[in-house]
Amino acid sequence: DAKTTQPPSMDCAEGRAANLPCNHSTISGNEYVYWYRQIHSQGPQYIIHGLKNNETNEMASLIITEDRKSSTLILPHATLRDTAVYYCIVRVHNQGGKLIFGQGTELSVKP
Amino acid sequence: GAGVSQTPSNKVTEKGKYVELRCDPISGHTALYWYRQSLGQGPEFLIYFQGTGAADDSGLPNDRFFAVRPEGSVSTLKIQRTERGDSAVYLCASSAAPSTNYGYTFGSGTRLTVV
Repeated sequence: DAKTTQPPSMDCAEGRAANLPCNHSTISGNEYVYWYRQIHSQGPQYIIHGLKNNETNEMASLIITEDRKSSTLILPHATLRDTAVYYCIVRVHNQGGKLIFGQGTELSVKP
Repeated sequence: GAGVSQTPSNKVTEKGKYVELRCDPISGHTALYWYRQSLGQGPEFLIYFQGTGAADDSGLPNDRFFAVRPEGSVSTLKIQRTERGDSAVYLCASSAAPSTNYGYTFGSGTRLTVV
């Protein structure tokens, strides 16, 4: 699976949009981009995934660049409860097995 | 059940002892995963079951670690001769099928402390 690079930490003001970047320059054509987050003392929680089109669900939006070498997770109106470590993962479509977690981005939402 | 359940939530053991950590996946989920997470690090893959068999055990650090899933549902991670370096949060996850594109559901983990 391709490697991802994320900033180690970010701050965001409560109520503002949080934009979390991820670089995955070696992504291959059959790899999806997944985002998970981990709130303190809990297991990781699935947020969203996509292949090449932008995706939106009730939690977030995922913007993938046209060349698929990077993506951005957007939390449109961050709340204090969104404070967590966010992980960007790429993995092959239709293949079972492990998720490879990097260090993630520690997002702090401040009042 | 409604989610992935892991027991115990906390375990303190003495160096050299044997421990078992239990995972109850979501009912009907055929795939089950074990991860280990040290402080400040992302989860590290240990082993993946598809049904009763271990499809990928490449993450088990050494032969002190072993996991079973005899009936294709509950899984037990077993650690022999525990060492202080085994202290970590052990996470379990399950998914509906190995080829799913949907998210894996994680439990809250077992915090293991070896003293």
